[in-house]
Amino acid sequence: SYVLTQPPSVSVAPGKTASITCGGDDIDGKSVHWYQQRPGQAPVLLIYYDKDRPSGIPERVSGSNSGNTATLTISRVEAGDEADYYCQVWVGTSDHWVFGGGTKLTVL
Amino acid sequence: QLQLQESGPGLVKPSETLSLTCVVSGDSISTSAHYWAWIRQTPGKGLEWIGSVYYNGNTFYNPSLKSRVTVSVVTSKNQFSLNLRSVTAADTAMFYCARHGCSGGNCHPAWFAPWGQGTRVTVSS
Repeated sequence: SYVLTQPPSVSVAPGKTASITCGGDDIDGKSVHWYQQRPGQAPVLLIYYDKDRPSGIPERVSGSNSGNTATLTISRVEAGDEADYYCQVWVGTSDHWVFGGGTKLTVL
Repeated sequence: QLQLQESGPGLVKPSETLSLTCVVSGDSISTSAHYWAWIRQTPGKGLEWIGSVYYNGNTFYNPSLKSRVTVSVVTSKNQFSLNLRSVTAADTAMFYCARHGCSGGNCHPAWFAPWGQGTRVTVSS
């Protein structure tokens, strides 16, 4: 089955840029979607189709996808960005959807 | 504003069937271009997609759960349901329902948004 690999944790100082990676075989051939999950809350869609933002998501949140790695980038990090982040793709060969293991973003 | 709300028993005995319902408000399942999905979350396995259903009953299931899962829709009540059979302690999780969305004409389900608040289910005797 298709595996998405995320680092368990990323730390960043306020005002700096956080990059969260999502690795998978030829992931650039798939569309990657990203979610934010704050403690005690349901996940919220942050990025869809690699780089598109739903309404209400700030421009400082962006996504990219190249080779074997997709990346979620959060610029000018704030304390409120502290959360778990998950990537997700569709696996066409077996028509199912998979999530990465999640990355906990800590704002120092 | 689209909202989803899960409901069901918080405790299920081993070997029994876990049954959950998701009520949708702010969108009509029967006229929506989207699928509707169940996802669960455990500390050990993280987020796991379970299955998705279309208004006409068409379904997709996670291959690892397919033998035990049924996802169905009741358009007259604007809700969809999950049945997970022969549960064990490993099925203890937070269960979420979500719209399985996409964009463009005749699009294939892609992302999940929005999500319900979730309902916690424990499997224990």
